[in-house]
Amino acid sequence: GAVVSQHPSWVICKSGTSVKIECRSLDFQATTMFWYRQFPKQSLMLMATSNEGSKATYEQGVEKDKFLINHASLTLSTLTVTSAHPEDSSFYICSAGLDSEREQYFGPGTRLTVT
Amino acid sequence: AQRVTQPEKLLSVFKGAPVELKCNYSYSGSPELFWYVQYSRQRLQLLLRHISRESIKGFTADLNKGETSFHLKKPFAQEEDSAMYYCALRVSGKLTFGTGTRLTIIP
Repeated sequence: GAVVSQHPSWVICKSGTSVKIECRSLDFQATTMFWYRQFPKQSLMLMATSNEGSKATYEQGVEKDKFLINHASLTLSTLTVTSAHPEDSSFYICSAGLDSEREQYFGPGTRLTVT
Repeated sequence: AQRVTQPEKLLSVFKGAPVELKCNYSYSGSPELFWYVQYSRQRLQLLLRHISRESIKGFTADLNKGETSFHLKKPFAQEEDSAMYYCALRVSGKLTFGTGTRLTIIP
């Protein structure tokens, strides 16, 4: 089956710094990748939709200048949390699909802790 | 805006007993519904989708448009069914998840 990886699996950073999370589709080309955020004991909330070669589409309430998304190739999307603050601490999950209407395959997630 | 509701955060069922995980949705259009499962220390994975009308691992789910529900059922629970289950609604390619139900099967 299709595999999606994320790197790193966990990261601790200091307040004010930026951190980049990678999402890769290992055995297929993903035209569309999605980024989710999950707070403890809560559901996944879609942050943005990333389409290869074009600008990401952000959900309402998500700051595009704070959460920079780049989808430069069909197998890689990155999420950069800029000027991170403790309230950005969360579990970030990506998913990828051949296109937005096909099955999405989920990555294992990245736990971000901002101190 | 669309919404998915899973009223039970926790559900414990004895092995061999029937299981029903509830899911209700609100969406004015034609819904596309899914059940996802997350086993301990594993990633989220698709369990089944309403459009395929199939049974996966003994689970089935029927879309009831009148009641706007998509409950997940299994007649006889097994210990390996213990996991977190999420109901999701897809609109224009985007998934909206419910808050999830943690199912525990009691041996």
